[in-house]
Amino acid sequence: DQQVKQNSPSLSVQEGRISILNCDYTNSMFDYFLWYKKYPAEGPTFLISISSIKDKNEDGRFTVFLNKSAKHLSLHIVPSQPGDSAVYFCAASDFRTSGTYKYIFGTGTRLKVLA
Amino acid sequence: DGGITQSPKYLFRKEGQNVTLSCEQNLNHDAMYWYRQDPGQGLRLIYYSQIVNDFQKGDIAEGYSVSREKKESFPLTVTSAQKNPTAFYLCASSRGGHYGYTFGSGTRLTVV
Repeated sequence: DQQVKQNSPSLSVQEGRISILNCDYTNSMFDYFLWYKKYPAEGPTFLISISSIKDKNEDGRFTVFLNKSAKHLSLHIVPSQPGDSAVYFCAASDFRTSGTYKYIFGTGTRLKVLA
Repeated sequence: DGGITQSPKYLFRKEGQNVTLSCEQNLNHDAMYWYRQDPGQGLRLIYYSQIVNDFQKGDIAEGYSVSREKKESFPLTVTSAQKNPTAFYLCASSRGGHYGYTFGSGTRLTVV
């Protein structure tokens, strides 16, 4: 039972354009969400987060949007750069019910930014 | 320079053998985690530990064991009972709260 889903396994975008990566979840108790970026044979690195009490968080070129009613979050990268080419994971935690900060990860979306 | 170190980077094991993956952190983080990555399946939680001398099973703990005798160390043993051990293993640590994880660079285990 996949509680966090990234339905697009891959995405190609032209350099300078917007990249939109999507993530859906099923557990309405999730209260915090993260996005990670991963290069091959390396560990993921933290990108941006959002609390369930917000609907948007911005950090430079990266913006995360949360739609709680739709149980959907998205990561926007503007403008996209070739160095953004990587696999992106969304992750969610439900501290209120689990009492822990362990995260459940989606399956990832491979982004390719074309020069 | 604080960080989290996994060793070795590549590991080969013969079928039927146990093998231990190392994970050390000097970030003074209380919580540590082991995840497994398989193609098309994202990261799945194997075990986690929130404090020294305590750990809990994750979603796919069967065939694995861990220990947490020191705050800095959280080794993972892949036992012969694990049916499909070939995978990329990631260790992470966290200072708690909603600060997310710091990941190591991973260990790729191949059973030959």
